[in-house]
Amino acid sequence: GENVEQHPSTLSVQEGDSAVIKCTYSDSASNYFPWYKQELGKRPQLIIDIRSNVGEKKDQRIAVTLNKTAKHFSLHITETQPEDSAVYFCAASYSGGGADGLTFGKGTHLIIQP
Amino acid sequence: DGGITQSPKYLFRKEGQNVTLSCEQNLNHDAMYWYRQDPGQGLRLIYYSQIVNDFQKGDIAEGYSVSREKKESFPLTVTSAQKNPTAFYLCASSMDRGDEKLFFGSGTQLSVL
Repeated sequence: GENVEQHPSTLSVQEGDSAVIKCTYSDSASNYFPWYKQELGKRPQLIIDIRSNVGEKKDQRIAVTLNKTAKHFSLHITETQPEDSAVYFCAASYSGGGADGLTFGKGTHLIIQP
Repeated sequence: DGGITQSPKYLFRKEGQNVTLSCEQNLNHDAMYWYRQDPGQGLRLIYYSQIVNDFQKGDIAEGYSVSREKKESFPLTVTSAQKNPTAFYLCASSMDRGDEKLFFGSGTQLSVL
């Protein structure tokens, strides 16, 4: 089955700096890669996703890049703000297979230092 | 908080007791899921249901049971056979069996007395 590794487990950055969280996956058949954000005490929410037919996707201050050859994908957050403090989860699955096929990483706790 | 509602927010279980966690959604979604979240761990799938009156085991189904009698409801029972039940439980839904986008509830923290 699929295995998703996520690094780092904790990331502390100064407000205004950029943050990068990386995930690797094992199954070359995986082609859908979402990122979820979970603020303290709140529900996880989908913030961005990418499919394997594109290499990069942006949405305002967040972007995701995908390297299919190396089987890794990354979340980039620019100009970090206090509200970016949260746990971020990456996941991988085969598109069209349904959410039951999602394998999640263990999460990265992002801390934004004022 | 519309969409998907979990209750209670906190739940305590005594040894040998079964407890049931509630999950209700008004999104008209066909598929529903239960995940377990432990500190420092990812989300692990317990059970899922792609349609009413049908459900499937996930990766860690032992010690848990579910039912899906109504489209809106997908309760999870943590049985006495689950020896390490303390965790944060998240319910989620997606539009249909082929949709990967999950909408989560706010979760239930289950602790053992």
